[in-house]
Amino acid sequence: DGGITQSPKYLFRKEGQNVTLSCEQNLNHDAMYWYRQDPGQGLRLIYYSQIVNDFQKGDIAEGYSVSREKKESFPLTVTSAQKNPTAFYLCASSISLFEYYEQYFGPGTRLTVT
Amino acid sequence: AQSVAQPEDQVNVAEGNPLTVKCTYSVSGNPYLFWYVQYPNRGLQFLLKYITGDNLVKGSYGFEAEFNKSQTSFHLKKPSALVSDSALYFCAVRDSPLKAAGNKLTFGGGTRVLVKP
Repeated sequence: DGGITQSPKYLFRKEGQNVTLSCEQNLNHDAMYWYRQDPGQGLRLIYYSQIVNDFQKGDIAEGYSVSREKKESFPLTVTSAQKNPTAFYLCASSISLFEYYEQYFGPGTRLTVT
Repeated sequence: AQSVAQPEDQVNVAEGNPLTVKCTYSVSGNPYLFWYVQYPNRGLQFLLKYITGDNLVKGSYGFEAEFNKSQTSFHLKKPSALVSDSALYFCAVRDSPLKAAGNKLTFGGGTRVLVKP
């Protein structure tokens, strides 16, 4: 899982509550990403960031928000507007956004909303 | 738009036998292709990538993949599978940088590999 940490590993929340997932990297990578993984499906991109204080929506950004105040950190907030938030969330980073470098993934956070 | 397909949901193979996981892709320009492996409740681990050059790419843990431009395929292979290779494998593609904005990978749906002793 490289130098990317995600916490907590498991997270339980009640419906209607916002929740923030942590992602920290010590790889000195410029680009960071958030993906959502559902059973039997591939990864879907939620948000990505090229540099501090800049981020872009991915394919399924509705109901999510992010911030990038520090190069090492890219927290994801799952808001109450996300209709089906229960999923496995993966954070990743890469050297650069605009090159062909591979992405390195964290261990993931499994979010369960009831 | 770029896309990738993994036609098999699951591949079963006996330990010691060759393992192949299939992947086909579609891009408008030159493809950058990646294979990742995921063990239960873990993040994805990078195995190998094709950017340019030799069509046969060697990666981690004895895996290799062959890029075939005419068939738009990038199948993952291992000559002799181990029980510990049992995991979920993802193929991913990215269009060439002049055509697409950012390092946005498109992932296939994944193929579960089960290696039996």
